[in-house]
Amino acid sequence: EAEVAQSPRYKITEKSQAVAFWCDPISGHATLYWYRQILGQGPELLVQFQDESVVDDSQLPKDRFSAERLKGVDSTLKIQPAELGDSAMYLCASSLPGQGARETQYFGPGTRLLVL
Amino acid sequence: GNSVTQMEGPVTLSEEAFLTINCTYTATGYPSLFWYVQYPGEGLQLLLKATKADDKGSNKGFEATYRKETTSFHLEKGSVQVSDSAVYFCASGSARQLTFGSGTQLTVLP
Repeated sequence: EAEVAQSPRYKITEKSQAVAFWCDPISGHATLYWYRQILGQGPELLVQFQDESVVDDSQLPKDRFSAERLKGVDSTLKIQPAELGDSAMYLCASSLPGQGARETQYFGPGTRLLVL
Repeated sequence: GNSVTQMEGPVTLSEEAFLTINCTYTATGYPSLFWYVQYPGEGLQLLLKATKADDKGSNKGFEATYRKETTSFHLEKGSVQVSDSAVYFCASGSARQLTFGSGTQLTVLP
């Protein structure tokens, strides 16, 4: 069964450093999402791509976060500089384009970030 | 905007007990409704979904029915197992965004 791949699984960094997370969606899934999940809460959307274009980045803290999906396949999420409050699980999900978020989103295993 | 309210946990049950986790939503239009499960240190796995009123989603003994009149999508299982211990998230998906509840931690004791 096809899965969403993410790396690294765990990342420890010091504040003010740069970090990057990678996601490879299920083949054929044009829509890709990045979420942030703080411990004990549900995931919150950071950015949504349709192919290589950003559809929604209204919740992305653009002063320090950036995301790209240059060829419309895999994607990178970057934080620079990292802050203590960025410690969280970063989840990537993908779906068929269909009916937006009415379509099932398939999640990767996540990257657990700890900022010291 | 859309919102999802689910029963707060944690919930602790004995093996073979009946499970209900309540979920209600507010949304414009007709969202799809989902239950996801998250095991420790892992991502979310789709448990079941329903796309229109009166649809029943089911998987692995879990069931939930899309109730438009009460805007609810309660999760049920007749006999829980220790392996069902996890965090369960209810979610509402509109054209624009997938909105999650805060999650319910379930622990099943042998």
